[in-house]
Amino acid sequence: QKEVEQDPGPLSVPEGAIVSLNCTYSNSAFQYFMWYRQYSRKGPELLMYTYSSGNKEDGRFTAQVDKSSKYISLFIRDSQPSDSATYLCATRDNYGQNFVFGPGTRLSVLP
Amino acid sequence: DAGITQSPRHKVTETGTPVTLRCHQTENHRYMYWYRQDPGHGLRLIHYSYGVKDTDKGEVSDGYSVSRSKTEDFLLTLESATSSQTSVYFCALRGGGEQANTGELFFGEGSRLTVL
Repeated sequence: QKEVEQDPGPLSVPEGAIVSLNCTYSNSAFQYFMWYRQYSRKGPELLMYTYSSGNKEDGRFTAQVDKSSKYISLFIRDSQPSDSATYLCATRDNYGQNFVFGPGTRLSVLP
Repeated sequence: DAGITQSPRHKVTETGTPVTLRCHQTENHRYMYWYRQDPGHGLRLIHYSYGVKDTDKGEVSDGYSVSRSKTEDFLLTLESATSSQTSVYFCALRGGGEQANTGELFFGEGSRLTVL
């Protein structure tokens, strides 16, 4: 079992839709949770970062962590064609130096 | 912009040849990482460094070596390249300073390596 699982998609939605992206993880020691966005042929860029359980909102983006079920979510409201990218979830424990990544979900937002 | 430069950005080489990828930073970050990215696998850690001359292995370190002789440069070497090492390689820095416990990784633009 991989430490972080993520549906690779691709996921296609119409412009304006609400998008839900999800990951599951297996290691209960993970405390830090991140979402990265990666455009084609570019490096990943940090989108959202949360510590432990709870929600965090930034504009159209909301990150949600449920540690009891080991479930990580990213919601995108009013999706735009510029949101078309691959979204990677990532986790880390308190002391480790390794950030463990999911394989990424490719999202296409159609105008 | 975390001031990360990777070189070369693209390289085609033949099986059995040595290859060195360079990661250069301008912001004095302590932690530097090398990842490879392959379809279906996502980003996998090869090696990381926590200071000058201080390095450790990641989950896919076989066939790779690293060196960090100064803070700003982290080199990844494939001693004898194989076709299975065809991949996109990303260098990353950990943000937040030495004492910070934040989660940011800042990535370079990637080095696309093809081994024929």
